[in-house]
Amino acid sequence: LAKTTQPISMDSYEGQEVNITCSHNNIATNDYITWYQQFPSQGPRFIIQGYKTKVTNEVASLFIPADRKSSTLSLPRVSLSDTAVYYCLVRSGYSTLTFGKGTMLLVSP
Amino acid sequence: NAGVTQTPKFRILKIGQSMTLQCTQDMNHNYMYWYRQDPGMGLKLIYYSVGAGITDKGEVPNGYNVSRSTTEDFPLRLELAAPSQTSVYFCASSRSESSYNEQFFGPGTRLTVL
Repeated sequence: LAKTTQPISMDSYEGQEVNITCSHNNIATNDYITWYQQFPSQGPRFIIQGYKTKVTNEVASLFIPADRKSSTLSLPRVSLSDTAVYYCLVRSGYSTLTFGKGTMLLVSP
Repeated sequence: NAGVTQTPKFRILKIGQSMTLQCTQDMNHNYMYWYRQDPGMGLKLIYYSVGAGITDKGEVPNGYNVSRSTTEDFPLRLELAAPSQTSVYFCASSRSESSYNEQFFGPGTRLTVL
C-alpha cells in the first residue's frame, strides 16, 4: 500500500483558493488517487479521484504531475462550510482504503 | 434512496456487555465495510464484505465479528465490550472492486464503553 503524507492543518479565508498537497512517493502503476472530505460528526464523503494529469468536477480539481509521486487538491473560492478534514488516499483495485489523519482545513471569515 | 443507514446513533455499554451495530444500504452495492475512528485519528478498517456470505478481516478485527446474509445488511457484533472499543463506528458501501474508489458512508454510531 502506498503511504501518503499531507499537512496536518491549513488555514484559509473565505473566497480564497486552497491547495492541499499530498505526497505518495511509492505509488504503484495501478494506483488511483482519491480524496475524501469529512465534516465533524459525519462519515467521509468522496470528493474526487484521478490517475494522472488533471481532473475537475463541480467541487474541486485534482492535479497530478507526470511522475504521480504527489497530487494537489484544489478548492476554488472556499467558504466557511468547507471547513473539514481532507483525506488523501492511494489505492489499487482492491477493496480496502487506508485513511491517514488527513488535513484539517479551517476557513475563517 | 436512503443510502447507508446505521443504528443506533449513540450507545453506552458496560465492560463485558455485547451489542450489534446495524448497517443497511439500499444502493444494491456488493461491497460493504466497517471502520472505526478514534478521536483525532483517521479511519481504520475492521471488516469488509465483497458480497453476501463473504467477509474478510481488515486492519483491526480483534474483538469484533460480522456477518453478511443479505446484500443490504452488514451488522457488526461486539461480544465482550472493552474500553478500548470506545470509538465512532462507520459503515460504508461501494459498487464494486474496481479502481472506482467511491465509498458511501453512513452517519456513524458513537459507542462508549465504561
